[in-house]
Amino acid sequence: GAVVSQHPSRVICKSGTSVKIECRSLDFQATTMFWYRQFPKQSLMLMATSNEGSKATYEQGVEKDKFLINHASLTLSTLTVTSAHPEDSSFYICSAPDGSYGYTFGSGTRLTVV
Amino acid sequence: GQQVMQIPQYQHVQEGEDFTTYCNSSTTLSNIQWYKQRPGGHPVFLIQLVKSGEVKKQKRLTFQFGEAKKNSSLHITATQTTDVGTYFCAAGIYTESNFGNEKLTFGTGTRLTIIP
Repeated sequence: GAVVSQHPSRVICKSGTSVKIECRSLDFQATTMFWYRQFPKQSLMLMATSNEGSKATYEQGVEKDKFLINHASLTLSTLTVTSAHPEDSSFYICSAPDGSYGYTFGSGTRLTVV
Repeated sequence: GQQVMQIPQYQHVQEGEDFTTYCNSSTTLSNIQWYKQRPGGHPVFLIQLVKSGEVKKQKRLTFQFGEAKKNSSLHITATQTTDVGTYFCAAGIYTESNFGNEKLTFGTGTRLTIIP
């Protein structure tokens, strides 16, 4: 089946630094990638949508200058959390339509900002 | 914006008992998807429902889409310990900017725990 590889799975960084999260579609082309954030015991909240070769679309309330998204190829989308702060600590997950009815999710990145 | 509510928020059942989670939308949906997320894991696609009144089954799981396409349910018969996790419904919204792909609004989720 379709696989989205997400790295890193866990990262701890110091406040003020930046963290890059990668999502690669391994056996299909992902023209669109959705980026979610999930706080403990809560639902997934869509942050932004990236489309290959164009600017990302951000949901209301999500700072585009803080969460930089790049979708330079049909198999790779990245999310960079810039100048991270403790309140950015969360579980970040990407997903892409895989050609079937559902969406394939990456395994997630647990970010802890200290 | 669109809201998708699920009840109950938590459900603890004895192994072998049945389990049902309900999903309700404030607007009519074009389709609804269901996902399962194991503790510490990521959501895994279970099924998509499209037609009004549609019922689909996957072994012990039965999915139903309401006649008005505003609600849906997932029923698990004779739960097993492997059913532990959080079940999310997700409503798809088409947007012109996403190459025809829907963006999903996830429900609040129902966390299922099993008492052996």
